[in-house]
Amino acid sequence: DADVTQTPRNRITKTGKRIMLECSQTKGHDRMYWYRQDPGLGLRLIYYSFDVKDINKGEISDGYSVSRQAQAKFSLSLESAIPNQTALYFCATSDSGTGSFGTLHFGNGTRLTVT
Amino acid sequence: DAKTTQPNSMESNEEEPVHLPCNHSTISGTDYIHWYRQLPSQGPEYVIHGLTSNVNNRMASLAIAEDRKSSTLILHRATLRDAAVYYCILRDTGTYKYIFGTGTRLKVLA
Repeated sequence: DADVTQTPRNRITKTGKRIMLECSQTKGHDRMYWYRQDPGLGLRLIYYSFDVKDINKGEISDGYSVSRQAQAKFSLSLESAIPNQTALYFCATSDSGTGSFGTLHFGNGTRLTVT
Repeated sequence: DAKTTQPNSMESNEEEPVHLPCNHSTISGTDYIHWYRQLPSQGPEYVIHGLTSNVNNRMASLAIAEDRKSSTLILHRATLRDAAVYYCILRDTGTYKYIFGTGTRLKVLA
């Protein structure tokens, strides 16, 4: 089983709909991240969370919200989806070690299409 | 946030060494240099990281310039399975934020 699991793997939705992408992890990491990937633009950070009570905005948080329901679960919501939110979304985790620790572990992504 | 600059694409012949460059002229003294790669249809995976000294692991080597304003990921013998997008990232030790750039798409020729 994957250490970082994203559901669903693929989703097609209509403009204006609310949608939630879910991420769960079995790595026991404190830190979780949501990234968005568009062709030719690499990965951009949407939100990140260092523990259940600590949530921070990333580079492109407008139009998104998140919920850290537990250490192992971090959900990304689009309150009213729009076509330019069509992208590949990745969840990642890292531990909270100092120094050279804290490498990222990614899920396999959710491909979201907004029509 | 400090930024990195990488070439958009590179090509290599199979079984030859590959040197993937990265410029990070605004790096701060406490930023770690991380490299990740993304194989087709997968999430990125960790390759290697370093602070000041050159580093080696089973996947690759990382050469860091003395002034830390650039680094090079070295794949000693490229294989077809190394075809991927390679990202050079600075990890902010204060915020633990990882800011990805657009990466280098490596094509390996048989």
